[in-house]
Amino acid sequence: AQSVTQLDSQVPVFEEAPVELRCNYSSSVSVYLFWYVQYPNQGLQLLLKYLSGSTLVESINGFEAEFNKSQTSFHLRKPSVHISDTAEYFCAVSALQGAQKLVFGQGTRLTINP
Amino acid sequence: DAGITQSPRHKVTETGTPVTLRCHQTENHRYMYWYRQDPGHGLRLIHYSYGVKDTDKGEVSDGYSVSRSKTEDFLLTLESATSSQTSVYFCAISESASTYEQYFGPGTRLTVT
Repeated sequence: AQSVTQLDSQVPVFEEAPVELRCNYSSSVSVYLFWYVQYPNQGLQLLLKYLSGSTLVESINGFEAEFNKSQTSFHLRKPSVHISDTAEYFCAVSALQGAQKLVFGQGTRLTINP
Repeated sequence: DAGITQSPRHKVTETGTPVTLRCHQTENHRYMYWYRQDPGHGLRLIHYSYGVKDTDKGEVSDGYSVSRSKTEDFLLTLESATSSQTSVYFCAISESASTYEQYFGPGTRLTVT
C-alpha cells in the first residue's frame, strides 16, 4: 500500500517570491509520482509527473519537481509565483503495476498575496 | 479539455434515500474512476472501472456501488445515503494503464441532511 503526506496544509507567499510545496510518500513497491492542481471550483488538472528518467521534471507554467528516492520525496517548486498560481495542489502516487489507482496527499492550499 | 461531464452538479438529499451520480465521457477512454474529496483527506478512490461491466473497489468503497454498462457512462450509487457521505465527488478517466494521466470532471457536490 502507498501513502502520501503533504507537510503543509496552507502556504501563503507574496507575489514573485519563490515557493516550495513539500511531499513525502511511503510505498513498499516502486511508484510513479504526480502533482495535480485544483483551481477554485474546478476539477483537478495534471501539473507534472515523474515516471522514469531524469529526476527533475518541469511543467509548462514554470513549476518543477524533483524525485528523491532516498528521501522518498517529490517536492514542488517555483522560483517566482503569480497571483494566478493561487490554487490547491495535490501530490499523488501510483504503483507501477495494474490499474492507475492514485493515492493522494491531503493537499496544500497556496495563497499568493500581492 | 477532456470531454467529461458529471450530473447532477449539486444535490441535497435526506439520510436514507438512494442517490445516483452519473459520469459521462466522450473520449472513449477505457478506465473510469470515482473519487471523493473531503477537507484534510485529499481525494480518495471509491471504485474504478477497467472496461464495460468490469469494476473494482477502491480505498473507501463501503456504502457505494457502481455500474458501467456502456463505455461512456459510469454510475455511482449510494444505496442509502448517510451524512458521512456528504462530500464532493469527482469522476476521472484515463486512456490506458500505461498513459498515467487521469482527466477529472468538474465534480458533484452532495449534501446529505
